[in-house]
Parts: sequence; C-alpha cells; structure tokens
Amino acid sequence: GESVGLHLPTLSVQEGDNSIINCAYSNSASDYFIWYKQESGKGPQFIIDIRSNMDKRQGQRVTVLLNKTVKHLSLQIAATQPGDSAVYFCAENYQGRLDSGGSNYKLTFGKGTLLTVNP
Amino acid sequence: GAVVSQHPSRVICKSGTSVKIECRSLDFQATTMFWYRQFPKKSLMLMATSNEGSKATYEQGVEKDKFLINHASLTLSTLTVTSAHPEDSSFYICSARDTGGNEQYFGPGTRLTVT
Repeated sequence: GESVGLHLPTLSVQEGDNSIINCAYSNSASDYFIWYKQESGKGPQFIIDIRSNMDKRQGQRVTVLLNKTVKHLSLQIAATQPGDSAVYFCAENYQGRLDSGGSNYKLTFGKGTLLTVNP
Repeated sequence: GAVVSQHPSRVICKSGTSVKIECRSLDFQATTMFWYRQFPKKSLMLMATSNEGSKATYEQGVEKDKFLINHASLTLSTLTVTSAHPEDSSFYICSARDTGGNEQYFGPGTRLTVT
C-alpha cells in the first residue's frame, strides 16, 4: 500500500485474509499517529492511535505498528470482512510552535489506501 | 463517542454566490476546530485551524478572504465560501478537538457543487 504518483494505492484481499496497509510519515517530530477509515461520501472514522513512545498497539481485529527509525506506520486488519472495504488514511500529529509564542497541533494526512475486500 | 455534525450535507450553488457550512460539536466543547477539503480520490488537506474567539490560522495557499471562518462559540464553527467558482467544488470536512485531548472528531462532510 505505498503511495505511487497521483493514483490512490489499492489493496485487494479475500474475505477472511489479513490485510496490511502501510504508510510513510514525514515529520520525525510527530508524537501521535492515527489511522482513519473513510467510506465513500463520509467523514473519516477513527480506528486506532499510537503515541511515539510505543511501537505497537492492538485493538479489536486491528494492530498498529510504528517504526520511528524509518518513519513507517502500518495497520494490520485481521480476518478482513467486506465491511472493511474503504479508504484508509494514516495521520501524524505534530505540535508546532507559532510565531506568536503559542503552539498548535496539526494533523497531516497521508495519501490513503483503498482496501477492497472480495467475498 | 463524541459527535460532530455538519450542515448542510450537500449544497449546490451558482457561480459567484456565497455558501455557509456549519460545524457543530454536539456533546463536547471544542476550543479548536479544523476545516479540510478533499478532492475525489485524494487525501484530506487542512485549510485552516479555528480557535474559539480568535482569528483562524490559514494554511499556505488558502485565501482567507475567500474562505471565511468564524468560531464564535465552543460548539460551532462556520466556513463561508465567498464568490464561489466551479473549482471550489469539493468535499469539505470539519473536525473538532476536545478541550482535554489530542483526538480529533470528524464531521460527516459537506459536498459542495458550484455550477
């Protein structure tokens, strides 16, 4: 699921298989990472998050792995179901410093991967 | 979980007119709200960060006079697309950050079509 050119990367799996979606993030100072699922015509839906002081976190059927050395994030979905078909985005949260002296948190989204689950 | 709503969900307007999109946090207070736009098969691009009671911070390349943002209360932010053009047609998504944490809760999006 690496991004290539202007086309949305795609991953096609059979129902019941495990899926792995990859993401490369850009800012080594990012301290919080989130995976979102977006179905057609809807807003992003939170799936799982991980802080930079961890390298793995598990949820229900999902696992996120973080490799800070190579700035890589992955989402593993176990026993993929047709309802998992959607676009998946990783996002990195970065706390920036404003010229005013304040700070702002910004989420920067990756390019996304279209997951298609075949019954 | 926290709920964010947007209104309208879809809007069609004529070129040259203005359209307002509302974003509300329904069961929590949000000092910070964010506005994104998303083109088909593309990722979400942050347009601006809106802090309650102060001016919005716009991302590079986003015209603040064209995309007016008002965050007058802890539960409501509005985005007004002024003098809309067909190239402004897009999916606009807001999110709200709970006053206590890092997590952002996203609205369902508004599909804007400018004819």
